[in-house]
Amino acid sequence: EVQLVESGGGLVQPGGSLKLSCAASGFTFSGSAMHWVRQASGKGLEWVGRIRSKANSYATAYAASVKGRFTISRDDSKNTAYLQMNSLKTEDTAVYYCTRAYGDDTFDYWGQGTLVTVSS
Amino acid sequence: DIQMTQSPSSLSASVGDRVTITCQASQDISNYLNWYQQKPGKAPKLLIYDASNLETGVPSRFSGSGSGTDFTFTISSLQPEDIATYYCQQYDNLPPTFGQGTKLEIK
Repeated sequence: EVQLVESGGGLVQPGGSLKLSCAASGFTFSGSAMHWVRQASGKGLEWVGRIRSKANSYATAYAASVKGRFTISRDDSKNTAYLQMNSLKTEDTAVYYCTRAYGDDTFDYWGQGTLVTVSS
Repeated sequence: DIQMTQSPSSLSASVGDRVTITCQASQDISNYLNWYQQKPGKAPKLLIYDASNLETGVPSRFSGSGSGTDFTFTISSLQPEDIATYYCQQYDNLPPTFGQGTKLEIK
């Protein structure tokens, strides 16, 4: 059974940092691109960024709204992807989902999400 | 970025009705279009990929069509468990972008 389990969410002050983790099981993690997608309360889905597999040089890409502040990484030995979030803003408040992409950017497996609240 | 425009934003229909949602891309995306279902408090679920292919395990009452800039998602006979918000998503270009969602309710 495929599982993606996010952790690390919580309350953080504006300007602060937080690191989310996404633990994967049930599929070949090392061969998969991993993405992060977020959703503010009552709003739609917003792509945050992705990291490709080793075969694709671990290439990363980010949404303009987070570029330079967020960093995605992965540890294939632990089947885990990470989202390091720095210089957080109130508008980063959202549920953050990790998701596996097959092919190009088709999201077939999703985690349950973790809530990040940026507030003073 | 490619803009995805869904319509309607919300929809009320009766059990057994045929329901149609449209999604328009701001430029040609070929068939690089997916549809997701999101129930309240849950993660999205992939229903349709590559515009018209049904994901494994998804009921056959769900279907998708279209190419280029205009796409359609259809539920042939609405069931109570289909109450959710539906999103289209393009993956022709980075960044992948989603439509604003269509909230489906039972009349």
